[in-house]
Amino acid sequence: EPEVTQTPSHQVTQMGQEVILRCVPISNHLYFYWYRQILGQKVEFLVSFYNNEISEKSEIFDDQFSVERPDGSNFTLKIRSTKLEDSAMYFCASKQGSGSHNEQFFGPGTRLTVL
Amino acid sequence: RKEVEQDPGPFNVPEGATVAFNCTYSNSASQSFFWYRQDCRKEPKLLMSVYSSGNEDGRFTAQLNRASQYISLLIRDSKLSDSATYLCVVNRVNRDDKIIFGKGTRLHILP
Repeated sequence: EPEVTQTPSHQVTQMGQEVILRCVPISNHLYFYWYRQILGQKVEFLVSFYNNEISEKSEIFDDQFSVERPDGSNFTLKIRSTKLEDSAMYFCASKQGSGSHNEQFFGPGTRLTVL
Repeated sequence: RKEVEQDPGPFNVPEGATVAFNCTYSNSASQSFFWYRQDCRKEPKLLMSVYSSGNEDGRFTAQLNRASQYISLLIRDSKLSDSATYLCVVNRVNRDDKIIFGKGTRLHILP
């Protein structure tokens, strides 16, 4: 069964460093998302991406964040200068088509720890 | 009022019992509703979409009451493997790309 994959599974970084979280969405999917979940809290939407551009972003997704689909298969989330409060699980998701009842499939997540 | 609000839990119930989860949402024009399941330190996985007429999938029944802005999930004959956190999820108005998660209700099924 096709699945969303994410690497690395765990990333430890120093405050102020840049990190890139990588995702490979399901191959025939057209819509891509990043979410984060701080430990013990709810899953929060960060950004959605379609047709090579951001379609929506949340207030969390500030200038420190960027997304890219560099090669038609990877979908990356970059945090330019990490803060302690960026420590969280980051989930990538993808969806095949438009329509609110289409299921978003989630990857296993990357645990980011900022020291 | 939070956009999506769920029972805080946790629920500790014996195996075989029936469990009910409740969820309310604040935006009356929300369009799509889902229940996801999340195991500890794992990704959310779709359990079922919730349709206006209500829907059932085996031991699971989901109901939607638009007038009350209320969604429910019922699990009958609960199994040990049902232990997880259950997330109520709502899509935003005119934003089918963006889904809003509730904080979730943790369920422990006791042997």
